[in-house]
Amino acid sequence: DIQMTQTPSTLSASVGDRVTITCRASQSISRWLAWYQQKPGEAPKLLIYKASSLESEVPSRFSGSGSGTEFTLTISSLQPDDFATYYCQQYNTYPYTFGQGTKLEIK
Amino acid sequence: EVQLVESGGGLVQPGGSLRLSCAASGFTFSSYWMSWVRQAPGKGLEWVANIKQDGSEKYYVDSVKGRFTISRDNAKNSLYLQMNSLRAGDTAVYYCARTGGGVVGLVEYWGQGTLVTVSS
Repeated sequence: DIQMTQTPSTLSASVGDRVTITCRASQSISRWLAWYQQKPGEAPKLLIYKASSLESEVPSRFSGSGSGTEFTLTISSLQPDDFATYYCQQYNTYPYTFGQGTKLEIK
Repeated sequence: EVQLVESGGGLVQPGGSLRLSCAASGFTFSSYWMSWVRQAPGKGLEWVANIKQDGSEKYYVDSVKGRFTISRDNAKNSLYLQMNSLRAGDTAVYYCARTGGGVVGLVEYWGQGTLVTVSS
């Protein structure tokens, strides 16, 4: 199985900060990577697909990059609504696998 | 508006069975791969299984192979997950999920989830 490793596991930041979350795959997944946002008690929400394509109606402050084994999710200027847990997911190879999550907390 | 509504969760003893259902609306159900994804309490996400539009292809994570069966009824716009030989490790919120157009593994829409608790 392809292992997805996210860093950091927890990130403390302030409104207005620029933050980056990294996701590494244990083998190449080309650009078949998605990012999801999940708030407590809610289902995940798709933010980014194919590594860098922004899902419809997702604010442009979210961006993704990378290919192969290393990927990043960047939030250019944190807003109060962005404090949540973020997951990456590879959908290149079965079984599809997720990273362990990055919890973005208010500093 | 795409809606996915899960049902069938609950408390079951180890070794027991449970059947989850997902009622889909707001899109042409028969045109999309569908998936189940689960999340143990306080833990991360785990893809469980998916099924092709016509039900001819099904894939599972190793930990549920031989115990879980995914199925669908396109006439009823419904997705199912039959879970047998349940274990404590299967305790989780189970999400019904619709894939993105043309991309099998990408989850574009999620239901709100149904909680399955396996405990004696």
